Amino acid sequence: DAEITQSPRHKITETGRQVTLACHQTWNHNNMFWYRQDLGHGLRLIHYSYGVHDTNKGEVSDGYSVSRSNTEDLPLTLESAASSQTSVYFCASSEARAGASKDEQFFGPGTRLTVL
Amino acid sequence: RKEVEQDPGPFNVPEGATVAFNCTYSNSASQSFFWYRQDCRKEPKLLMSVYSSGNEDGRFTAQLNRASQYISLLIRDSKLSDSATYLCAVSAGYSSASKIIFGSGTRLSIRP
Repeated sequence: DAEITQSPRHKITETGRQVTLACHQTWNHNNMFWYRQDLGHGLRLIHYSYGVHDTNKGEVSDGYSVSRSNTEDLPLTLESAASSQTSVYFCASSEARAGASKDEQFFGPGTRLTVL
Repeated sequence: RKEVEQDPGPFNVPEGATVAFNCTYSNSASQSFFWYRQDCRKEPKLLMSVYSSGNEDGRFTAQLNRASQYISLLIRDSKLSDSATYLCAVSAGYSSASKIIFGSGTRLSIRP
């Protein structure tokens, strides 16, 4: 069955370290998204991609970067981790076709990141 | 003003009750609307898409009011298993149709 996976599921790191969170989907979806979820803020969009080599900034992109070298993967990198980046991170994907009416996103299980 | 706003709750209702949530959105160009369900420490999962004519799926009914820019979710005969956080989601508009803006969620707790 097609799915979307994230790794690691839990990560503890130290301030200043570079961290990369992986996201892999097997639906062949063009669109992929990274969100962080914090109490009181809901899901906030970090970065997103509409296809290979395409990346776009979301509302909370500072301190994060992504790259899209293939359809299946959109890794999220924290260049220099800060305590404010302690959060739960969700990756999502959606299908994109011209005239498609279905934009629903499918989420991975999440990564809990703690920055000490 | 937030692009998508929901009453955070919590709503605490007895089993068997009917409960309704509303969600307002600010972008009149939004084309797609959804309700997601999120259980504690889990990922959001699509509950239902919301269509212009309104739609029903078992005990769940979703409505869209474009004129007033809100969507609603009605849960009838609520079950203990309906306890969760319900997120409304709205597409960002014509130029970014695949980008979805989520509300902060409404927490629902069903008591026996």
